[in-house]
Parts: sequence; structure tokens; C-alpha cells
Amino acid sequence: QVQLQESGPGLVKPSETLSLTCTVSGASISSYYWNWIRQPPGKGLEWIGYIYNSGSTKYNPSLKSRVTISIDTSKNQFSLKLSSVTAADTAVYYCATLTTSLSFDIWGPGTMVTVS
Amino acid sequence: QSALTQPASVSGSPGQSITISCTGTNSDVGGFGYVSWYQQHPGKAPKLMIYDVTNRPSGVSNRFSGSKSGSTASLTISGLQAEDEADYYCTSFTSTSIYVFGTGTKVTVL
Repeated sequence: QVQLQESGPGLVKPSETLSLTCTVSGASISSYYWNWIRQPPGKGLEWIGYIYNSGSTKYNPSLKSRVTISIDTSKNQFSLKLSSVTAADTAVYYCATLTTSLSFDIWGPGTMVTVS
Repeated sequence: QSALTQPASVSGSPGQSITISCTGTNSDVGGFGYVSWYQQHPGKAPKLMIYDVTNRPSGVSNRFSGSKSGSTASLTISGLQAEDEADYYCTSFTSTSIYVFGTGTKVTVL
């Protein structure tokens, strides 16, 4: 059974880089597509990007210039870096994967990141 | 890529059926069979309810069903129950191999 857990600082200063890690258990990080999705307080979901095949990536065009998603196969983890953050990047950040077709069927519990 | 359009809110009485629409374009909903629906209760992570337009994951009630016509997908909840009160989001894979979410719909059980 695949499980995901996000971790990282809950508070980031404006203009700095937000860094989060998602630890995967129950599956090899070399399988599937690994995603980051966020949700600002009181607002809807926004897809950030995914990594697959241990290195290929796709990003939301609106965030592409600031986002990097990477994989650490030795730790079975994948990570998100979002640079030059502003208050608009304050959100709950979820990691999620696609094990059933092209749908997000496994989600982490989410982690709140505040930019202030 | 613009967000898919959903009604902001839908309501119904217990036992009734409601339908939530999700409108996109030929580059996403209309062009692919990869529309999925998610239920989100306050403070919780979203839960997959429907994938590939019409398929239900194991464990999801058969009161939930999905369909698609052209560039509009729909989620129907039949026999509405109090526990169905939540936010619902659609999402679609797109022609540029990225994902786009819907704007979200708040379902209220009267």
C-alpha cells in the first residue's frame, strides 16, 4: 500500500526558496508519476508539476520559472523547490501519485506553508 | 491553461440526486478520457471518487457516477447523504501533458 508524507518548514520568508520533501513508502520511487499540488487557504487546488522515470519533469506553465521537482532514489523521496516566494504562495502543499490510470489516487496529508 | 469551470455551489435534500458539471475545452476534457473527480472534506486531503470519466475506485460508493459529453464532464451523486457534504473538484489531463483542476464546487445537504 503506497503512502506519502510531506515534510519541510512551515514558515518561509518572502523572496526565499520554499523546500518540501515527500517520503514514499510501499512503492519504489522509480515507478509512477510523482506530483505536487497546492491549495491556498479557502481556495481551490492547483497542480504544480510532476516527475517521472526518475528524472523527467512537467510543470504548470504559470509556475514553471520558479519550480524544480527532483527525486532522491536512495531515500525514496521526491522534493519541491519554489523560488522567490511571495504571500501568494502561502498554501497547503500536497504530494500525490498516479497509480490508477492518470488520476491522483494516493495523496499525502498535506503540509501548510506560510510565507511571511 | 485555464481552470476548468464548475458551479460554485450545488445543494440537495437527503435522498435526492445532484449533478456537478465540469466544463473545459477540446484540449483537455473534450480531447481525452482522463477526467477524474475528488471529494474534499474540511481540513482533509482530497479523495479520488471517479477516474477515467466513469470508473469508480474500489471502496467508493456506487452512488457516485461520472459521465462526459463533448467538453463537459459531470459527477452525479444519487441518494444524497449528509456525509456527501464536501467540496468537489474535477481535473483533466491535457494536450500538453499537464493537469488542470476545476474551480471547485461546494455541495450542501439541506
